[in-house]
This record gives sequence, structure tokens and C-alpha cells, in this order.
Amino acid sequence: DIQMTQFPSSLSASVGDRVTITCRASQDISTYLNWFQHKLGKAPKLLIYGASSLQSGVPSRFSGSGSGTDFSLTISSLQPDDFATYYCQQSYGTPWTFGQGTKLEI
Amino acid sequence: EMQLVESGGGLVQPGGSLRLSCAASGFTFSTYWMSWVRQAPGKGLEWVANMNQDGSEKYYVGSVKGRFTISRDNAENSLYLQMNSLRAEDTAVYYCARDWRQHLALDYWGQGTLVTVSS
Repeated sequence: DIQMTQFPSSLSASVGDRVTITCRASQDISTYLNWFQHKLGKAPKLLIYGASSLQSGVPSRFSGSGSGTDFSLTISSLQPDDFATYYCQQSYGTPWTFGQGTKLEI
Repeated sequence: EMQLVESGGGLVQPGGSLRLSCAASGFTFSTYWMSWVRQAPGKGLEWVANMNQDGSEKYYVGSVKGRFTISRDNAENSLYLQMNSLRAEDTAVYYCARDWRQHLALDYWGQGTLVTVSS
């Protein structure tokens, strides 16, 4: 199985900050990398697909980059609604696998 | 409006069985792959299984192979997960999600249903 490693596992930041979350795959996954936002008790939300494509309806302050084994999610200016847990996920090979998550806290 | 609503969760003893359902609305269910994803308490997300539109392709994570079965009824716009030989480590919130096959991403998710395996 392809292992996905995210770092940091938690991050403290303030409204208006620029933050970057990193995800590393255990093998080359091309750009088959998605990013999700998850809030407690809510449905996870797709933010970025194909490593860098912004899902419809997602604010443009979210962006993704990378290919191969190294990827990143950047939030350009944190808003109060952005405090949540973020997961990367690879869809290059079955089983699909997620990173362990990055909890973004105020 | 697109909706996915899971049901069927609850408390079950180790070794028992449970069948989860996911009712889909607001999109043409029969044209999409569908997935199940779970989150154990205090843990991250784990993809469990997916299947194609007519059920001819089904894939599972190794830890549930031979115990869980994904299925669907396109006439009823419903997705199912039959879970047998349940273990304590299967305790989790189970989400169904639409599989956006063109981009290999899970683009819409339900709110989840909690399964607790305990004696």
C-alpha cells in the first residue's frame, strides 16, 4: 500500500496568516493527490483534486501544488472558518490511502 | 441539492453483523462509482471500499476483505455496506462518498453513521 505522510500533525496559526501543509507519498503518485477539509461532526469537503485543481465553490485562498512524491496545500490568508483538520489522499493505487491529518488550530 | 444520507449504524457485539445504507439524491446515482470511508475515534480517515456503476468492479482495503461487502441498488438510489465478523477495531464513523471517477476524487460525502463494536 502507498503510505502518505503529512506534516506537521498540528499547527497553530492566526487569522490572516499564510500556512502550508506538506504531504509525502511513499512512491511516485504523479498528480493523483487530493486534499480534504474535515470539521468535527461534519462531512469531509474536497478542496483540491489532481494535486492543484481547485474544487468548485472552494475559495481561491486555497491552493495545491506538487507532483511525484511531494505535495503541499497552502492557505494564503487564514479565515476563521478554516480552522479544521486537513487530509491528503492518494488515488494512484488501490487501496486509496490518506495522510494522518493536520489539525489547524487558532 | 445533492445529498448522501447514511443509516444503519449502532452498537454490535464482536463477531456480529451490521448493514449500512446510504441514500443518494440530487444526482444520477446510477452513473457514479461510490465509496465507503471510515474514521475511528481519534484517528484519521480510512478508505474502506468502492464499486463501479453496475457492481462488476469492487475494491476493498485489506483489513476488511472477506468480511465486508459493498453493494448498490440503482433503482433505489442506494449504496450498502454489509459488515460481518465485526471487530473492536471496526468501531468508527462510516461515510459514503461519491466517487468522481474522471478525477479519481471523492467529491461529495454524507454526514456519517457511527458503528460501535463492543461487548
